[in-house]
Amino acid sequence: GEDVEQSLFLSVREGDSSVINCTYTDSSSTYLYWYKQEPGAGLQLLTYIFSNMDMKQDQRLTVLLNKKDKHLSLRIADTQTGDSAIYFCAESRDGATNKLIFGTGTLLAVQP
Amino acid sequence: SAVISQKPSRDICQRGTSLTIQCQVDSQVTMMFWYRQQPGQSLTLIATANQGSEATYESGFVIDKFPISRPNLTFSTLTVSNMSPEDSSIYLCSVALVDRANYGYTFGSGTRLTVV
Repeated sequence: GEDVEQSLFLSVREGDSSVINCTYTDSSSTYLYWYKQEPGAGLQLLTYIFSNMDMKQDQRLTVLLNKKDKHLSLRIADTQTGDSAIYFCAESRDGATNKLIFGTGTLLAVQP
Repeated sequence: SAVISQKPSRDICQRGTSLTIQCQVDSQVTMMFWYRQQPGQSLTLIATANQGSEATYESGFVIDKFPISRPNLTFSTLTVSNMSPEDSSIYLCSVALVDRANYGYTFGSGTRLTVV
């Protein structure tokens, strides 16, 4: 099957770290992505990770991948009010020709 | 990364009519994808549009309802036919790009469709 699950909602205080979790079922997934969707806007690619990696860091973003448990997480350090959005994880079997399977989305609310 | 221009950005349509959504990319791409995002939901792939061949539709989506054109490597259209209120969604086009700085799928800004 191709199910990608996320928790629906996360609330954090400004300046704290946020951790958004994602689980997937397709063991043949080779590319995993995190997208951000702000209200009324399109999808912005935040970061991606290949399945042969355990971790990827990009400024305030840290992606952790546990391939054995099929678990992906996105950590946002020093969360700001501008980070408030819906975050989608997505997986595909390759990065250029195969479809993306999206998670259910997590609404991140950052309290000032 | 690619720049995708999608239009219209939003529309309100009468049931029974059809709407054609256009997607223009600033570089040549082999595959373009069309997604639907129903209110409060995640994104679901409708079909993959290949230049020079028929689009490939996902389970639950048919060509008669969502005809797609792909006349060249930078342009595609999706038509939502014989619309009903259940078709009210955001429709997004997407392309996959690989370059040294980015690896992933880029999305247009979406078309917010309301059917009344």
